[in-house]
Amino acid sequence: SAVISQKPSRDICQRGTSLTIQCQVDSQVTMMFWYRQQPGQSLTLIATANQGSEATYESGFVIDKFPISRPNLTFSTLTVSNMSPEDSSIYLCSIKAGIYEQYFGPGTRLTVT
Amino acid sequence: QKEVEQNSGPLSVPEGAIASLNCTYSDRVSQSFFWYRQYSGKSPELIMSIYSNGDKEDGRFTAQLNKASQYVSLLIRDSQPSDSATYLCAVDNQGGKLIFGQGTELSVKP
Repeated sequence: SAVISQKPSRDICQRGTSLTIQCQVDSQVTMMFWYRQQPGQSLTLIATANQGSEATYESGFVIDKFPISRPNLTFSTLTVSNMSPEDSSIYLCSIKAGIYEQYFGPGTRLTVT
Repeated sequence: QKEVEQNSGPLSVPEGAIASLNCTYSDRVSQSFFWYRQYSGKSPELIMSIYSNGDKEDGRFTAQLNKASQYVSLLIRDSQPSDSATYLCAVDNQGGKLIFGQGTELSVKP
């Protein structure tokens, strides 16, 4: 099965700054996604990272706040822009492997002070 | 609003017992259903997937799906303390977009 890595694993950031999170997969995958898990909550889909085109965002998430890049079939980045304490969450990338199954990276734990 | 509902728990069972976790979903067109296990501080790990009505067994885990009742369950037989985690039910009804329930916290007591 594919190995998914994320950088950084955790970070503490000042409000108003931006953080870019990287997701690397050791094999080519068609579909990659970004999720957010707020403290004590379940996972919410932020967007689908499309290779070679703009990401598809879910309701409540916008490109200006969460710009996403997908330059190739093994790599994607999510930027959390102009951060506020409400952005403190775990950010997870996932891949669709096989027909339906989806697997998650280890996550990036973000704290905004 | 498409929803996935789970009992938040915590669900406490003694070691060796059967743990039963339940999930209901609102969108009748949903086709794929998943159970993830999440240990504290870790990312979700896929443990079961089910796509058709009936039971699917994998080791100590059995997933059950009833599309007419819009109900998915996970049974864990011979529960072990290492099974203590949060179990997340997820539904895929739009080509990969997973909707998650709130999760059920399971505690297996030695």
